[in-house]
Amino acid sequence: KNQVEQSPQSLIILEGKNCTLQCNYTVSPFSNLRWYKQDTGRGPVSLTIMTFSENTKSNGRYTATLDADTKQSSLHITASQLSDSASYICVVSSGPFGNEKLTFGTGTRLTIIP
Amino acid sequence: EAQVTQNPRYLITVTGKKLTVTCSQNMNHEYMSWYRQDPGLGLRQIYYSMNVEVTDKGDVPEGYKVSRKEKRNFPLILESPSPNQTSLYFCASSLMALTYNEQFFGPGTRLTVL
Repeated sequence: KNQVEQSPQSLIILEGKNCTLQCNYTVSPFSNLRWYKQDTGRGPVSLTIMTFSENTKSNGRYTATLDADTKQSSLHITASQLSDSASYICVVSSGPFGNEKLTFGTGTRLTIIP
Repeated sequence: EAQVTQNPRYLITVTGKKLTVTCSQNMNHEYMSWYRQDPGLGLRQIYYSMNVEVTDKGDVPEGYKVSRKEKRNFPLILESPSPNQTSLYFCASSLMALTYNEQFFGPGTRLTVL
């Protein structure tokens, strides 16, 4: 069964600090891995999409890494801001080309305090 | 503005009373999907559509119906809602199938079935 596990479940950090969120997956066959940001009560918004050949991808202060061998990904947030408070969801796409399915993690709830 | 819209945003209903949640996108996307999000669980796919008149079951299709008569619209129908369908529902669309295509989510519909 395809699974995506995220850690920690929740995290509180001070504004301006960096943090790293983790994602482990057991999904086969792997197509791509996505990170989403979901503000409370709103729909998820895509941050990055990476295929197995991409090790790192950045989107502003967000940097995602992927190790396809160990089936791990991380999302690093640099110089956090209050607006970064949200849930961050790791999603892995799998299946045959053109008919992939998404497996969602349960997310990491990040709170930035001033 | 490119977007996915859902209506209503909030709905309280009673068991057995048929309801429809509408979803519309203005990006000429071929792929559309419905998800539900419950506390402690990742988003789970209900139904998806690769194109007009083509729909398929996702992971949790029981108790739901969909239709795709037009490219822009993908309504979710609950013929006889039950309390276990109380959830937060998201519609999403992407240009084509999920292969490396970003998925855009609607704002969500919070449904309560009494």
